[in-house]
Amino acid sequence: KQEVTQIPAALSVPEGENLVLNCSFTDSAIYNLQWFRQDPGKGLTSLLLIQSSQREQTSGRLNASLDKSSGRSTLYIAASQPGDSATYLCAIHGSSNTGKLIFGQGTTLQVKP
Amino acid sequence: DVKVTQSSRYLVKRTGEKVFLECVQDMDHENMFWYRQDPGLGLRLIYFSYDVKMKEKGDIPEGYSVSREKKERFSLILESASTNQTSMYLCASSPGAYQPQHFGDGTRLSIL
Repeated sequence: KQEVTQIPAALSVPEGENLVLNCSFTDSAIYNLQWFRQDPGKGLTSLLLIQSSQREQTSGRLNASLDKSSGRSTLYIAASQPGDSATYLCAIHGSSNTGKLIFGQGTTLQVKP
Repeated sequence: DVKVTQSSRYLVKRTGEKVFLECVQDMDHENMFWYRQDPGLGLRLIYFSYDVKMKEKGDIPEGYSVSREKKERFSLILESASTNQTSMYLCASSPGAYQPQHFGDGTRLSIL
């Protein structure tokens, strides 16, 4: 059974710092991996989607990488800002589960001014 | 931009009531999903639908049912609400299997 883990559960950094959020998964047979952002009391906003054949995807200050063989993905945020404060979730589309997403528990990021 | 609209942001109901949560998407997406999100448990899939009148059970379907009479609308029904169904409910849609999912703002449901 696929399990997705995000460590740490919470992270606090000063403004301007570059940071990395981690996501690990137990079954490397994935179709793709999606990173989301969730603001308090709100829904999820899709940030990046990486196909299993890709190594990384970039959008603005965000860069997501994927290493299927080691069961890891990272979300790199450059020059962090207070507006980046949110919970970040990764989710896997497994290749054998008919398109259902399996979510990690998320990392709550606080960027201090 | 994809717009997924959930009919209520906050809802308070009583135990035993029949509760309807509505979700509408405006991008002609094939797939729609209902999740619930609880502290410490993360997001869990309740039901999903690949087409009109089609539905599939997710990981925690007990106590829920769904309806998809039109492509753009996916309803979650709590047949007889119980206090353990107090939660944040999130609806999502996607163009097809394995495509990016787009979420609504959620409905925070309290069952008293």
